[in-house]
Amino acid sequence: DQQVKQNSPSLSVQEGRISILNCDYTNSMFDYFLWYKKYPAEGPTFLISISSIKDKNEDGRFTVFLNKSAKHLSLHIVPSQPGDSAVYFCAASGDKIIFGKGTRLHILP
Amino acid sequence: NAGVMQNPRHLVRRRGQEARLRCSPMKGHSHVYWYRQLPEEGLKFMVYLQKENIIDESGMPKERFSAEFPKEGPSILRIQQVVRGDSAAYFCASSPQHKGPYEQYFGPGTRLTVT
Repeated sequence: DQQVKQNSPSLSVQEGRISILNCDYTNSMFDYFLWYKKYPAEGPTFLISISSIKDKNEDGRFTVFLNKSAKHLSLHIVPSQPGDSAVYFCAASGDKIIFGKGTRLHILP
Repeated sequence: NAGVMQNPRHLVRRRGQEARLRCSPMKGHSHVYWYRQLPEEGLKFMVYLQKENIIDESGMPKERFSAEFPKEGPSILRIQQVVRGDSAAYFCASSPQHKGPYEQYFGPGTRLTVT
């Protein structure tokens, strides 16, 4: 049973537009949420996080929103750039960090 | 200021051989985690270790897989008698703490191919 779900395996967005990646979770005990970015043949790199006591965290072009009642979080990237093309993993932390299966983002020129 | 180091980056083994994957955590990090990524899958937690202790091995297959993090030296993930289904990317991560908000920092991974 997947505790962290990323239901879109892939997403294509025009350069300059907003990219929105979604993530749902089932365990209400998760208290910290993270997004990682992964390029081919490299390890995941930490991107941005949010504590369960907040509903928004912003870092430059990246904003993470958390809706605890819906057990849903999203990552917004605006404006999208070619270098943003990668696989994005959502993760949730309780006694361990649980990762989703990832969403492959393609930024179109 | 080296990050998490993993070696080898690529490892080819024949069925039945042993695979040894090494991970050196970031300086100052005492918590090490191993993950496996199968093709088209996410990162699956395998094991969490501190120095000389296995804290959580709930994601490790019951047979053939073992992990250690000795007092000196890197953490080792050992796979005995490898089978084709073991072919995957294995990632190691480390963190300075395990409680409260924390991020894990990943190494570049070891790609294991079993022929």
